[in-house]
Amino acid sequence: GGIITQTPKFLIGQEGQKLTLKCQQNFNHDTMYWYRQDSGKGLRLIYYSITENDLQKGDLSEGYDASREKKSSFSLTVTSAQKNEMAVFLCASSADSYEQYFGPGTRLTVL
Amino acid sequence: GDSVTQTEGQVALSEEDFLTIHCNYSASGYPALFWYVQYPGEGPQFLFRASRDKEKGSSRGFEATYDKGTTSFHLRKASVQESDSAVYYCALGELPGTGSNRLTFGKGTKFSLIP
Repeated sequence: GGIITQTPKFLIGQEGQKLTLKCQQNFNHDTMYWYRQDSGKGLRLIYYSITENDLQKGDLSEGYDASREKKSSFSLTVTSAQKNEMAVFLCASSADSYEQYFGPGTRLTVL
Repeated sequence: GDSVTQTEGQVALSEEDFLTIHCNYSASGYPALFWYVQYPGEGPQFLFRASRDKEKGSSRGFEATYDKGTTSFHLRKASVQESDSAVYYCALGELPGTGSNRLTFGKGTKFSLIP
């Protein structure tokens, strides 16, 4: 089996700050994803990548950047944190679209 | 674009009751349909899928049947237990090899047991 590791587990930032979230997977999967999870809104796709150095925008990409420099890692940057923002960011990977494996999430709080 | 609508908010039942969570979809093509489950403090995990009309997916006592006529994929379980308390997500996606690896998720339905 494999595992997805997300760091940090909790992230507290200030308004306007640039914040970076990291994700590592050892499944050797080609595709990786970043989702945002808000209460009552489900999972919304921010960015995904189908191979190293590839980036595809999701439905919620505005305000975010992403980077896939290695097959095993995928990072997400919040370019300017919004005051009172609270959400969980979930990273996932898949070999195909049938089964996505998720990490435990990074919980963001902006003061 | 593609979308998924599922039972809103929360469902609460007594132990051994029958659980139904409704899921309806809207898609331009012929999507694959999925159920994912998320336990507290964890990321979602794949429950099962169905890829064609009338196909039944099942896992851990849960099941759903792909119905193209009513564009539905309702989740059912005959006898719920405490361990089933979780958030359930319905999702749709294109079949592998069709060019997209994306899934579109519903907003989630939280199931809990009435003590």
